Amino acid sequence: SQQGEEDPQALSIQEGENATMNCSYKTSINNLQWYRQNSGRGLVHLILIRSNEREKHSGRLRVTLDTSKKSSSLLITASRAADTASYFCATVGGGADGLTFGKGTHLIIQP
Amino acid sequence: EPEVTQTPSHQVTQMGQEVILRCVPISNHLYFYWYRQILGQKVEFLVSFYNNEISEKSEIFDDQFSVERPDGSNFTLKIRSTKLEDSAMYFCASSDGGGSGNIQYFGAGTRLSVL
Repeated sequence: SQQGEEDPQALSIQEGENATMNCSYKTSINNLQWYRQNSGRGLVHLILIRSNEREKHSGRLRVTLDTSKKSSSLLITASRAADTASYFCATVGGGADGLTFGKGTHLIIQP
Repeated sequence: EPEVTQTPSHQVTQMGQEVILRCVPISNHLYFYWYRQILGQKVEFLVSFYNNEISEKSEIFDDQFSVERPDGSNFTLKIRSTKLEDSAMYFCASSDGGGSGNIQYFGAGTRLSVL
């Protein structure tokens, strides 16, 4: 599989529920970031977690990082209809500048 | 809030034509990037640019592609002779690098359609 693979590919939940998305990667990283993309729009940065961090919170977002398993999760609590979007993890590592994105999880929040 | 702006939002061109996609990065940022996203696929890194030169490029960024910062505000991507497979969304991003951990701020994209 490729760097930055998210699962599930698609997730549909009811408004108010929590949404969890996972990401796996292959190589060593400096940090891992999560981005959101609304349909046909650009990417919006959500949160960054460094390789020496295990958990980070920002508002309704909680990100975990397990470097031993090369995986990360993004939890969105108390989901809202406006959270409907695609979510991508992206890694930076090895002296590289460019972000390596996964294929994304398409999240649908049902009202 | 400062943002990255891209023009045009949609570009239609004939195969073999040259296109220039334009971007105005956030004004105090020093690092600039181009990415592309073919419909239904993931976002792919093309090139990064710092201090008036390419700092990194991917395998996709072949001799058909070039980047330029012609003045203090614009950052352009040129595709010399477009192919059908160049049809994609092209995103520009910028970053101040350093302590921000390379958080990149993206524009809304240019949809390139090659006919």
